[in-house]
Amino acid sequence: NAGVTQTPKFQVLKTGQSMTLQCAQDMNHNSMYWYRQDPGMGLRLIYYSASEGTTDKGEVPNGYNVSRLNKREFSLRLESAAPSQTSVYFCASSLEAVHEQFFGPGTRLTVL
Amino acid sequence: DAKTTQPPSMDCAEGRAANLPCNHSTISGNEYVYWYRQIHSQGPQYIIHGLKNNETNEMASLIITEDRKSSTLILPHATLRDTAVYYCIVRAWNYGGSQGNLIFGKGTKLSVKP
Repeated sequence: NAGVTQTPKFQVLKTGQSMTLQCAQDMNHNSMYWYRQDPGMGLRLIYYSASEGTTDKGEVPNGYNVSRLNKREFSLRLESAAPSQTSVYFCASSLEAVHEQFFGPGTRLTVL
Repeated sequence: DAKTTQPPSMDCAEGRAANLPCNHSTISGNEYVYWYRQIHSQGPQYIIHGLKNNETNEMASLIITEDRKSSTLILPHATLRDTAVYYCIVRAWNYGGSQGNLIFGKGTKLSVKP
């Protein structure tokens, strides 16, 4: 099993550009999450999907949209990137919302 | 805001036990204590969790005080590969909306030295 995979690993954008971060899990988990981590800080939840077909805002949702494409895939979209969105983005999944979360390797995004 | 307080950093000699404390004095009856760690630049890794009884798995032991206001994560024989930031998180078990989500603080940076 690959666990949680994320693409791309690195990305540089110019202000105003858009992009989609992809996340997939092969553990048949119901719940999926998107976090961001700024330098020297803990992770902050952007959006989560408790189950297929549902999504909810987390702590810092502004500037982002998500799509739970199917049970395996949960994408994060930046419609108009800003320098404040420079961060490392982690996707995670869990069997159910109450269970432990498994994290992907992260996407390092720089917005110039 | 995180509901836990941890020291910002700790050192441990290789082969010795690493004891990482966590204060969670406002923990509610339906909240578990979770521990994750993050090795440099990688995604966080789940270690262990518990409600009120002490727990042990292949990675670590979790000791929770009787009043549940604090806990200690124990790595019995620390290795250089255990150097990481360790996060203590309290989290509701009866998930409802955002209540069950993980809230990461700044954690404790553990440095295991030869």
